[in-house]
Amino acid sequence: GAGVSQSPSNKVTEKGKDVELRCDPISGHTALYWYRQSLGQGLEFLIYFQGNSAPDKSGLPSDRFSAERTGGSVSTLTIQRTQQEDSAVYLCASSPEGGRLAETQYFGPGTRLLVL
Amino acid sequence: GQQVMQIPQYQHVQEGEDFTTYCNSSTTLSNIQWYKQRPGGHPVFLIQLVKSGEVKKQKRLTFQFGEAKKNSSLHITATQTTDVGTYFCVYNFNKFYFGSGTKLNVKP
Repeated sequence: GAGVSQSPSNKVTEKGKDVELRCDPISGHTALYWYRQSLGQGLEFLIYFQGNSAPDKSGLPSDRFSAERTGGSVSTLTIQRTQQEDSAVYLCASSPEGGRLAETQYFGPGTRLLVL
Repeated sequence: GQQVMQIPQYQHVQEGEDFTTYCNSSTTLSNIQWYKQRPGGHPVFLIQLVKSGEVKKQKRLTFQFGEAKKNSSLHITATQTTDVGTYFCVYNFNKFYFGSGTKLNVKP
């Protein structure tokens, strides 16, 4: 079946512009995660959606970052007034139920964001 | 919050040498997972350990979970260039907590 998809695969934008990154999780997966990975670095947790629960936004680095998940499926990560330090790969992952033992995450290919 | 510390940060080995990465926590973990990320790729699940002292093998890869369930290791025997990548240990508790990763480079 189809895996996690993300779009766009690459995005180049100018400092100060807003960007929207999209994630389509695996069908039926109730949990969705966003991570950021700067060049050569580990994964930085951003936000976590689980079913109808309020999202865990504890990883969002500033109020310029926000995310939505509509209808329990597709998610959009929005970065307002982008800064050069926002340049990174943004990875989305989904899992069947979220945090349950024996669950694994399935990652999308990521969106490579470059802010000039 | 839950944290898993991973060492070393980098490891450069000659092809054929062994490699080990370690994951440690100050608290008892109910489980530990390992993921591999190839250069330019995304993390891919390798294995999960849940039992105290558990040892699992996948070909040349051996995964261990400590008796106290506070540490874990991944050992690769006779590395190959296809092993190049970053290995992450991950703790799954309500959400997933990633270690900082160990970047493995294998020289042919």
